[in-house]
Amino acid sequence: EPEVTQTPSHQVTQMGQEVILRCVPISNHLYFYWYRQILGQKVEFLVSFYNNEISEKSEIFDDQFSVERPDGSNFTLKIRSTKLEDSAMYFCASSDQAPNTEAFFGQGTRLTVV
Amino acid sequence: DAKTTQPPSMDCAEGRAANLPCNHSTISGNEYVYWYRQIHSQGPQYIIHGLKNNETNEMASLIITEDRKSSTLILPHATLRDTAVYYCIVRVENTGTASKLTFGTGTRLQVTL
Repeated sequence: EPEVTQTPSHQVTQMGQEVILRCVPISNHLYFYWYRQILGQKVEFLVSFYNNEISEKSEIFDDQFSVERPDGSNFTLKIRSTKLEDSAMYFCASSDQAPNTEAFFGQGTRLTVV
Repeated sequence: DAKTTQPPSMDCAEGRAANLPCNHSTISGNEYVYWYRQIHSQGPQYIIHGLKNNETNEMASLIITEDRKSSTLILPHATLRDTAVYYCIVRVENTGTASKLTFGTGTRLQVTL
């Protein structure tokens, strides 16, 4: 069964450093998402991406965040200058068409900012 | 904010049916009801979705009331592996644009021996 793959599974970084979280969505999917989950809290939407541009972003997704689909297969989330409060599980998801279909989630990257 | 209300926790004996309720009294005509679950800290897993008709797949059944203001997810024979947090989500149908999922706090289902 096709799946969304995320790397690395765990990333530890120093405060102020840049991190790039990587995702390989399911190959024929067109819509891509990033969500995050701070330990013990809800899964929160960050950003959606379609047709090589951001469709929607949440208040969390400020100027420190960016997304890119550099080569037609990878989908990345970059945090420019990490803060302690960025520590969370980050989930990538993809779906093949937005209406009426399910999104498939990866297993997540645990980001720890120290 | 999430537009659904779910009980925070439920218990179910292994082998019995688990019936998870969800209220979505402000649902709009173009919004679907989706169910996902999250086992421990894994990525959310899609279970089932529907608009107004009852739906069944290999994992579960979804019963939506006629007025669409509430629904019930049924796991017909719960196993220990079904222990998870279950999220009921209403999601608008958008054409040509990505449509986000808004997660609430869900129902923590504990399946016991």
